[in-house]
Formats: sequence, C-alpha cells, structure tokens
Amino acid sequence: AQSVTQLDSQVPVFEEAPVELRCNYSSSVSVYLFWYVQYPNQGLQLLLKYLSGSTLVKGINGFEAEFNKSQTSFHLRKPSVHISDTAEYFCAVSEGNTGKLIFGQGTTLQVKP
Amino acid sequence: SQTIHQWPATLVQPVGSPLSLECTVEGTSNPNLYWYRQAAGRGLQLLFYSVGIGQISSEVPQNLSASRPQDRQFILSSKKLLLSDSGFYLCAWGLLSTDTQYFGPGTRLTVL
Repeated sequence: AQSVTQLDSQVPVFEEAPVELRCNYSSSVSVYLFWYVQYPNQGLQLLLKYLSGSTLVKGINGFEAEFNKSQTSFHLRKPSVHISDTAEYFCAVSEGNTGKLIFGQGTTLQVKP
Repeated sequence: SQTIHQWPATLVQPVGSPLSLECTVEGTSNPNLYWYRQAAGRGLQLLFYSVGIGQISSEVPQNLSASRPQDRQFILSSKKLLLSDSGFYLCAWGLLSTDTQYFGPGTRLTVL
C-alpha cells in the first residue's frame, strides 16, 4: 500500500531565504504526486502535480518540485520565500486508479521577517 | 471553469443534535466527490467518497453518513453529533483520469 512521509512537521525560515519541504512516498506502482497548500481556515489549494514527463515540475507562487523515482521523493522548493508563504503544506500520492489520494501529515512553513 | 461550494462556513452544534453539511460542484459532470475531516493540528482523514449518484464508499466507521442525491451534490450527515465530531470538514471533487482533487473552502464544525 502507498504511504507518504513528510519528514518535517515544522520548518521555520527567514523571509527571502530558500526553503525545501521534504516528501517521501512508498509505492510499488507508477504514481501521480501532488503538493497542496492550506492557509489558515481555508481549503487546500493545488500547488503543483507530477503526472508524467519532466521530473521538474513548476507550480504556482514560485514553487517547484522534483520527482526522484530512485529515491522515491518529491521535495518542494522555493528559492526565496515571502511572509505570505506561511501556511501548511501537504504532499499526496495517488492510490492508483481509485481516485483516492494518500496525504502526508503536513509541514507547517513559518516565514519570519 | 469549475467551482466548488460548501455551506455553512461555520457551525456550532450541541452534542446529540443532527448535522447536515452540503457541497455542490459547478462546471463539471460526473466528478468523483470526497469528504475529508481535519481535526485540530492533524492531517486529512478521508471519510467518504463517491464515484456516482447513490454510490458512497465509507473509509472510516463512525456516526457520520454521506449521500449523493444529484450528480454534483454531496451531503454529509449525522443523526447525533459527538464531541469528537468537531473539526474542519472539507469537500473535494476529482478527476479519475489524473487523480487530481480540488477542494472547497471548508466548514468549521464545533460540537459543544
């Protein structure tokens, strides 16, 4: 069965610094991978997704993620964060033709001035 | 474009009272529909999903139920709320072809 591990529950970073949020998954089949962002008291917003093709995926708000099949990772990066990036970030993997997603426990990104 | 609505946005209910949360989707046909719960400080828990009218799959046994009376309408219900039902309830619609899900704004439920 698939699973997703977000290695950091909280990531504090100063404004304009680079950030990486780590995500590892386990799956025995080809998967689709997703990153979502959740601002306080709001629903989840899709940041980016990997379905196939180029392993470097660019998303909204300057975020990007790289699919690494050998390391079963899908880390999220941004070269320079803003205060407004403070939010909860969720990594997810598809369960394979069931329409269901398996979510990680989330990483809280705290951007400090 | 597709949009997803949830109401109410917030709800405070006493223990033992009934519950009905509604979710509707516009701009797409025959979507997969999902109900999630997010307890304070915790991740997402999939409660129910539906691949078509009247077709409901339950992921977690509990005192909640779901129904899909129309193609783009998904309802979460309870006959008697428990304190443990408090949380943030999210509805989502999805495309089976890519497993991508799109979320509504959520309903904050507080059971007192």
